[in-house]
Amino acid sequence: DQQVKQNSPSLSVQEGRISILNCDYTNSMFDYFLWYKKYPAEGPTFLISISSIKDKNEDGRFTVFLNKSAKHLSLHIVPSQPGDSAVYFCAVGQAGTALIFGKGTTLSVSS
Amino acid sequence: GAVVSQHPSRVICKSGTSVKIECRSLDFQATTMFWYRQFPKKSLMLMATSNEGSKATYEQGVEKDKFLINHASLTLSTLTVTSAHPEDSSFYICSARGGSGVTNYGYTFGSGTRLTVV
Repeated sequence: DQQVKQNSPSLSVQEGRISILNCDYTNSMFDYFLWYKKYPAEGPTFLISISSIKDKNEDGRFTVFLNKSAKHLSLHIVPSQPGDSAVYFCAVGQAGTALIFGKGTTLSVSS
Repeated sequence: GAVVSQHPSRVICKSGTSVKIECRSLDFQATTMFWYRQFPKKSLMLMATSNEGSKATYEQGVEKDKFLINHASLTLSTLTVTSAHPEDSSFYICSARGGSGVTNYGYTFGSGTRLTVV
């Protein structure tokens, strides 16, 4: 049983538009939530995070929203750029234990 | 910022041989290190958690005698794939926790190792 789900394996967006990537989790005890960008044969690159006490965190073009009651988080990228094309993973964690990753969503941004 | 160095980046070995992968935290002491495995187009699956000076804790289904993890110092953890077989071919990624990163909660990832067993 997956503790972290990214139900959309892929997403295609035009340059300049908004990309919305979604993630659902099952355990309400998770303390923090992170988004990573990853290319094949490379380690994940940290993008943005949010703690369980917040519902929104913004960093430049990236905004993460957390809905604790729905156990749902999303990553908004606006405006999307071709360089954003990659696989995006959400990860959740608690109390210093290992991060648990979703299966990832492949984002393709066309110019 | 916190940096984790993982070597080698890619390795090809013959079936039946052993391969060692190193994970080093370069500018911080990593109290805990994690090893993940990623199959093509799949998620990062946690294999084991290691704390310096103690035995690693393996996830269910991961053979501890096959995937030997050593965390002898606060800056180095190694994963040895023993008697490798083609099904062990995968992308292995380490993560070290202990850096001062606030936004990433102290988790720093290595660049990964592509293991191909022929």
